[in-house]
Amino acid sequence: QQQVKQSPQSLIVQKGGIPIINCAYENTAFDYFPWYQQFPGKGPALLIAIRPDVSEKKEGRFTISFNKSAKQFSLHIMDSQPGDSATYFCAASKTGNQFYFGTGTSLTVIP
Amino acid sequence: NAGVTQTPKFRVLKTGQSMTLLCAQDMNHEYMYWYRQDPGMGLRLIHYSVGEGTTAKGEVPDGYNVSRLKKQNFLLGLESAAPSQTSVYFCASSYSFDRVSTDTQYFGPGTRLTVL
Repeated sequence: QQQVKQSPQSLIVQKGGIPIINCAYENTAFDYFPWYQQFPGKGPALLIAIRPDVSEKKEGRFTISFNKSAKQFSLHIMDSQPGDSATYFCAASKTGNQFYFGTGTSLTVIP
Repeated sequence: NAGVTQTPKFRVLKTGQSMTLLCAQDMNHEYMYWYRQDPGMGLRLIHYSVGEGTTAKGEVPDGYNVSRLKKQNFLLGLESAAPSQTSVYFCASSYSFDRVSTDTQYFGPGTRLTVL
């Protein structure tokens, strides 16, 4: 059973566009929701993370929106650049416990 | 600091052969993890360790064994490799002194394993 469902599987946007990647979870005990960015041939790296006590978090051009009642969270990339082309994974965990990752979204930003 | 390193980077095995993947971290992290990454399936946890001498099963532990004899090292073993174990394997580590700071996992560069 997939603990975290991620969509879309792939996404193509023009430079300057705002790609949005969505994730949904079932376990209400989860209290930590990170997003990881992975470039080809590299390991995933933490991009931004949120806890359920806030509805939005921004770091630079990256924003997480969190909807606790709907058990959904999403990643928005403002003013996307070709260098943002990568695979993005959402994840969820209960603090101190294992992560459950989404299946990943391959993002391509066209110049 | 080198962070999390993995050895080897690539490996090709024949069905039935055995091998050990080595993960090392120099960040004094308590927790270490082994994941496999397959197309369309994201990252799935194989085994993890919450401290030296301890190991626990993750989502997909069958066919793998692990050991954490030293805090900085976490070994993943395949006793009898199968084509279904063809994958990219990632090791990760996180800090857990107060059980609050475990959250950021730092990943290694991965090992690409092909089983023929």
